[in-house]
Amino acid sequence: DSGVTQTPKHLITATGQRVTLRCSPRSGDLSVYWYQQSLDQGLQFLIQYYNGEERAKGNILERFSAQQFPDLHSELNLSSLELGDSALYFCASSSRIGHEQYFGPGTRLTVT
Amino acid sequence: DQQVKQNSPSLSVQEGRISILNCDYTNSMFDYFLWYKKYPAEGPTFLISISSIKDKNEDGRFTVFLNKSAKHLSLHIVPSQPGDSAVYFCAASAGIQGAQKLVFGQGTRLTINP
Repeated sequence: DSGVTQTPKHLITATGQRVTLRCSPRSGDLSVYWYQQSLDQGLQFLIQYYNGEERAKGNILERFSAQQFPDLHSELNLSSLELGDSALYFCASSSRIGHEQYFGPGTRLTVT
Repeated sequence: DQQVKQNSPSLSVQEGRISILNCDYTNSMFDYFLWYKKYPAEGPTFLISISSIKDKNEDGRFTVFLNKSAKHLSLHIVPSQPGDSAVYFCAASAGIQGAQKLVFGQGTRLTINP
């Protein structure tokens, strides 16, 4: 158990809909990262937040957005969903000092 | 542009023998490298890491070697155990501590045969 929690574990929704994925980092970690793992691709970095502020951005679509709240949990919002958005979405957290990122169990999103 | 590459999609090793997983990178700005292990339906689990100022790091049965001139790193598992069967991802990062994204390879599926 990495200490990172993600909800929900599974999500099935239709094209055009909007969903919110939630992540709680390990106790004491200020950084939260979001990654996407599609069937035919490795883990792709989406976005990072540090203590409530956006710190780094990857190939995140404009239809996707994220935020980190004062209690340090983070939410990833995916809107106008397309079939190609079906993937595993992982959240990770790290301490301010460490390089290692610790991953949650992921949310499997299926868009039908 | 695949900055981190794991050219072997799969590897099969006999129990008790050494497993060697390889990873190549192209970006010379990477200064920290990590290996993760992933079981189905679970998130990646951190295994071992190495800073670019070192060429070897050991933790129990796991050793990571870094060859900066060749932009190559490898993970050695000795001895291999059935529980080591999983997908292994190599990852690299660059940037200040606390503000790094990880760039992952495509993964190598390791199967340990009894």
